[in-house]
Amino acid sequence: EVQLVESGGGLVQPGGSLRLSCAASGFSFSDHYMDWVRQAPGKGLEWVGRSRSKVNSYTTQYAASVKGRFTISRDDSKNSLYLQMNSLKSEDTAIYYCARVEGRGAGYMDVWGKGATVTVSS
Amino acid sequence: SVLTQPPSVSGAPGQRVTISCTGSSSNIGADYDVHWYQQLPGTAPKLLVYDNNNRPSGVPDRFSGSKSGTSASLAITGLQPEDEADYYCQSYDSSLSALVFGGGTKLTVL
Repeated sequence: EVQLVESGGGLVQPGGSLRLSCAASGFSFSDHYMDWVRQAPGKGLEWVGRSRSKVNSYTTQYAASVKGRFTISRDDSKNSLYLQMNSLKSEDTAIYYCARVEGRGAGYMDVWGKGATVTVSS
Repeated sequence: SVLTQPPSVSGAPGQRVTISCTGSSSNIGADYDVHWYQQLPGTAPKLLVYDNNNRPSGVPDRFSGSKSGTSASLAITGLQPEDEADYYCQSYDSSLSALVFGGGTKLTVL
């Protein structure tokens, strides 16, 4: 069964850091681009960033709202994706989903995890 | 949002509804594909339509997508109570160099 499971969410103070993990199973993780998408309470979906595969040199891409504060990495040997979040702000409070990317061009997200909740508050 | 969706739509069981997704020349109008996701209350999003008009296996043919110019649409025919959910369109924007979502549309089945 194709599955993504996020972990590492929690409560953090403004200015703090947190690292989310996403464990993949049931598919060839190393062959896929992977995305992080977030959803603030009662709001819509917001793309956070992307990790490309080894074929594309593991390059990353970020939304303007998180660029310079968030870092996406991956460990293909562990079938895992990570999101390092620094200098957290209250507006980063959200459910964070990891998603598998499929398809041509910029692609689409065909498999989603259940999400990890991040709360930034003092 | 870069992609504009109506905040809400509604319909009676058995009826047909459409959800629009309006973009611009830097996203949908630049011939980037549009994808649609369904988010049931309290759950993660689920891919509903990809590459403008294709359905993943398991998605009923009551759901269909189309794209023209700078806009796209999701049509749902034969509305069922279980279709009550939030629906999001997604594409790529070359000006932002980012994937973009619509603001979401809440579908109510009356």
